[in-house]
Amino acid sequence: GEEVAQTPKHLVRGEGQKAKLYCAPIKGHSYVFWYQQVLKNEFKFLISFQNENVFDETGMPKERFSAKCLPNSPCSLEIQATKLEDSAVYFCASSQLGGLAGARDTQYFGPGTRLTVL
Amino acid sequence: EDKVVQSPLSLVVHEGDTVTLNCSYEVTNFRSLLWYKQEKKAPTFLFMLTSSGIEKKSGRLSSILDKKELFSILNITATQTGDSAIYLCAVSSGGSNYKLTFGKGTLLTVNP
Repeated sequence: GEEVAQTPKHLVRGEGQKAKLYCAPIKGHSYVFWYQQVLKNEFKFLISFQNENVFDETGMPKERFSAKCLPNSPCSLEIQATKLEDSAVYFCASSQLGGLAGARDTQYFGPGTRLTVL
Repeated sequence: EDKVVQSPLSLVVHEGDTVTLNCSYEVTNFRSLLWYKQEKKAPTFLFMLTSSGIEKKSGRLSSILDKKELFSILNITATQTGDSAIYLCAVSSGGSNYKLTFGKGTLLTVNP
């Protein structure tokens, strides 16, 4: 599609439950990025993919968080055993591989998934 | 650690005013600086700047980068109530990682 799509819009989980978020990048984009925004503060980078390969996972918490981008499927971000501090808006963004210089730097964002952990 | 600082954090103006939003950065291996507008949902892309001194312009919005002094400004002329939003500055850095480091944003409120 022409926009980054994220589902669901809202997700409510009790502490300890699993949460799974999905992202479909813009058609033709090869890079996918996940960011976490807690309480309208800064975006925190989590992980990026180039196609189905992990590109940079330096922002991912070591425990409980995992992500995948499989061929012909939306990308996913999964949080096992959610905690209160995981409550945030999770944004997905995508960018092109080729094109004009700087194309890879221009990330287009989805509407986000608001995760509330009770 | 990469750092992006925006000022002011919030700004209230009247329709028709001109505003200047600031963004300074300290990053390793700078690649580009991007401005986004965030209303209720997705941040929408405004500009990407890679070269010093070249102004990017789109309607009433314009932006310029100074790589020597490590800052950028976003100007909005003849503001309208629809310009009310959070304006985010982000820097792409760190070689070929392409991840963005964001500032806290400037909350702009334009009153009628």
